Amino acid sequence: GENVEQHPSTLSVQEGDSAVIKCTYSDSASNYFPWYKQELGKGPQLIIDIRSNVGEKKDQRIAVTLNKTAKHFSLHITETQPEDSAVYFCAGEDNTNAGKSTFGDGTTLTVKP
Amino acid sequence: DTAVSQTPKYLVTQMGNDKSIKCEQNLGHDTMYWYKQDSKKFLKIMFSYNNKELIINETVPNRFSPKSPDKAHLNLHINSLELGDSAVYFCASRQFTGELFFGEGSRLTVL
Repeated sequence: GENVEQHPSTLSVQEGDSAVIKCTYSDSASNYFPWYKQELGKGPQLIIDIRSNVGEKKDQRIAVTLNKTAKHFSLHITETQPEDSAVYFCAGEDNTNAGKSTFGDGTTLTVKP
Repeated sequence: DTAVSQTPKYLVTQMGNDKSIKCEQNLGHDTMYWYKQDSKKFLKIMFSYNNKELIINETVPNRFSPKSPDKAHLNLHINSLELGDSAVYFCASRQFTGELFFGEGSRLTVL
């Protein structure tokens, strides 16, 4: 089955700096890679996703890059703000596998004002 | 007008008891899930139902029994609760692939 590894487990940055979170996956059949943000006391919410036919996707201050050959993908947050502080999860999914998403272990991002 | 709603939000109970968590989604999705988030924040899939049919059943003890009376509801019943069952349980739904919509979670504490 799929195995998704996520690094770092914790990340602390100054407001305005950039933050990068990296994930690797094991199953070459995986073709959908979402990123979720979980704020304290809430459920995870999708912030950006990428499919395997695309190398990069951007949405305002958030971008995701995918390297299929190396089987890794990264989340980039620019101009970080205190409200970006949360736990971020990457996931990998093979959409032929009954829609099963395998999540990374999460990264706790702290943005210091 | 919550998309995925779970009840109860908090549940405190003694070891050995039986408890249920209910989930409802008003998004018209065909697929619903239960995830378990432990104290280290790891998110693990437990079950998935597609249009009332069980399609994913991870290696979960058979004390956990999901039930989907219709495609908008997925409930989780847990028998003979153990200390290790303490966690936050998340219900989620989506239309086959793509974005998962999560509920706010149900925090279960077993004493």
